[in-house]
Amino acid sequence: AQSVTQLDSQVPVFEEAPVELRCNYSSSVSVYLFWYVQYPNQGLQLLLKYLSGSTLVKGINGFEAEFNKSQTSFHLRKPSVHISDTAEYFCAVGQQGGSEKLVFGKGTKLTVNP
Amino acid sequence: EAGVAQSPRYKIIEKRQSVAFWCNPISGHATLYWYQQILGQGPKLLIQFQNNGVVDDSQLPKDRFSAERLKGVDSTLKIQPAKLEDSAVYLCASSLRRARETQYFGPGTRLLVL
Repeated sequence: AQSVTQLDSQVPVFEEAPVELRCNYSSSVSVYLFWYVQYPNQGLQLLLKYLSGSTLVKGINGFEAEFNKSQTSFHLRKPSVHISDTAEYFCAVGQQGGSEKLVFGKGTKLTVNP
Repeated sequence: EAGVAQSPRYKIIEKRQSVAFWCNPISGHATLYWYQQILGQGPKLLIQFQNNGVVDDSQLPKDRFSAERLKGVDSTLKIQPAKLEDSAVYLCASSLRRARETQYFGPGTRLLVL
């Protein structure tokens, strides 16, 4: 079975600073990888996903992530954050084949301060 | 395009009572998911339907939880009897067909069991 570890439960940063949210996964088979964002009092929405091909994936709102198979990682980055990026970010992994069900990490709370 | 609808938004019950949640997915989406999100954790898949068939219910506590998706459209999740540890947000999501596709989440139902 697959699993996901988000190494930081909280990440505070100042506005316009770069940020990296870390995600590591474990799986015995090939995977799909996702980052979802949850703004306060809203449902989750997809930021970006890796299915195959280029390991650098670009998403909405200037976010990008890089799939590193050897390190089993899928870290999320943004070069310059805004106050509006304050939210909870969830990394998720799905295994190829079968139901492809997603397993989510515990989340990283990103707080952008002025 | 209308999003995923859920009701009620909030529910408070006493332990051993029963409760039901309703979800209406995005029109045309074959796959529907119910997740449980306990405070401080990521969403955990309870059950995944494709049309009106169950794809995965391996993490559904079947002694107390049940779900159905009659006619392959809307769905109901029931808990009977509820326990204190069932306090959580219950999220419904849908996707066109496969779990690797973008999942669209509803706003969730926040359940408090006293």
